[in-house]
Amino acid sequence: EAGVAQSPRYKIIEKRQSVAFWCNPISGHATLYWYQQILGQGPKLLIQFQNNGVVDDSQLPKDRFSAERLKGVDSTLKIQPAKLEDSAVYLCASSPGQVEVKAFFGQGTRLTVV
Amino acid sequence: DAKTTQPTSMDCAEGRAANLPCNHSTISGNEYVYWYRQIHSQGPQYIIHGLKNNETNEMASLIITEDRKSSTLILPHATLRDTAVYYCIVRSRNTGNQFYFGTGTSLTVIP
Repeated sequence: EAGVAQSPRYKIIEKRQSVAFWCNPISGHATLYWYQQILGQGPKLLIQFQNNGVVDDSQLPKDRFSAERLKGVDSTLKIQPAKLEDSAVYLCASSPGQVEVKAFFGQGTRLTVV
Repeated sequence: DAKTTQPTSMDCAEGRAANLPCNHSTISGNEYVYWYRQIHSQGPQYIIHGLKNNETNEMASLIITEDRKSSTLILPHATLRDTAVYYCIVRSRNTGNQFYFGTGTSLTVIP
């Protein structure tokens, strides 16, 4: 089965610029997660979608980060404007639902803000 | 927030069993224990999960203590490709079923 697809794999931008990441979850997976992983740390949940509705975005810095999941399938995560501390790997994951299931992760997008 | 405690790092000789401990003393009755690993520059990979019974699959075994306050992930015959960061995660319906990652255990398999 095809895995979670993310693009781009790498992105370098200057601070104050904007950037967007794209995620295509596994077909049929209702739940989609975005995580931020700073070097040397475990992934931190930014936002969780159930179909096209937001379940939890309590850790999303809403002044600069936004995310959407149109039609309950693909999702985009945007940062505007970027700061140096946003340099991290952004991971997308999906799972079939919210009950006892496992999540599948994409390869991530490595963002460097200079 | 992460509700697990793991050693920062461990070494294991190639071909030997790797036993990775995890403490989750505040686990509640409806919370599952999940294990993921992350090989350098890749996304986390699911290994195994359980509620209270021991579990085994093609990758590993999960031993959960009777009081459920701790667990051990066992890789029966570690290979160099098992070198990775291993995350023990307690997942609850009450927190929307998010996967909260701690800092994990960095396992190095030594030739």
